Amino acid sequence: NAGVMQNPRHLVRRRGQEARLRCSPMKGHSHVYWYRQLPEEGLKFMVYLQKENIIDESGMPKERFSAEFPKEGPSILRIQQVVRGDSAAYFCASSPQGPDSYGYTFGSGTRLTVV
Amino acid sequence: AQSVTQLDSQVPVFEEAPVELRCNYSSSVSVYLFWYVQYPNQGLQLLLKYLSGSTLVKGINGFEAEFNKSQTSFHLRKPSVHISDTAEYFCAVSERGTGGFKTIFGAGTRLFVKA
Repeated sequence: NAGVMQNPRHLVRRRGQEARLRCSPMKGHSHVYWYRQLPEEGLKFMVYLQKENIIDESGMPKERFSAEFPKEGPSILRIQQVVRGDSAAYFCASSPQGPDSYGYTFGSGTRLTVV
Repeated sequence: AQSVTQLDSQVPVFEEAPVELRCNYSSSVSVYLFWYVQYPNQGLQLLLKYLSGSTLVKGINGFEAEFNKSQTSFHLRKPSVHISDTAEYFCAVSERGTGGFKTIFGAGTRLFVKA
């Protein structure tokens, strides 16, 4: 069991390009959460997904950001037309059953740098 | 509204000294409480959690935390730290809302252990 796998570990994009971040949850986990960590700040909730469903996207910026968790394959966080302010570490977490009551397993994150 | 306050952004301490990392939260309902540790360039690892029962919770690496309901606190302690404990520590609170549980993280406390 390889745990929560995120790739790439580091991603550099020029302003205006698209960034695609991938997250494969732990085996047996069907709940995925995305968090963003800005420099010198804590983790901010972005979105919570189950297979093929977005359950809570209250933390997602209204524009340019989208997330999916298809029936097959990893969860994808997509950022269109990236700007410098999108530079951050993006963490994915998963859990086996409903959110939060037992804690999350986190991936190692994707560090996005927009130049 | 739910919030998590970690009162110290940085805590320097000498090796083998005791340490306490403070966490206060605000919530009007019952909560679950967590501490996570993040080593440099890695994801978060669950250190310990309080769900119910005894208010003193023991975690990995010799850490423990005490839930104080009246003071809405969940401070993390270790009687004798090692250099390898240098990391960032995040307190997290999870409460049940209309859409299920939601977890909020504090801004983090950077523990720096000096020789």
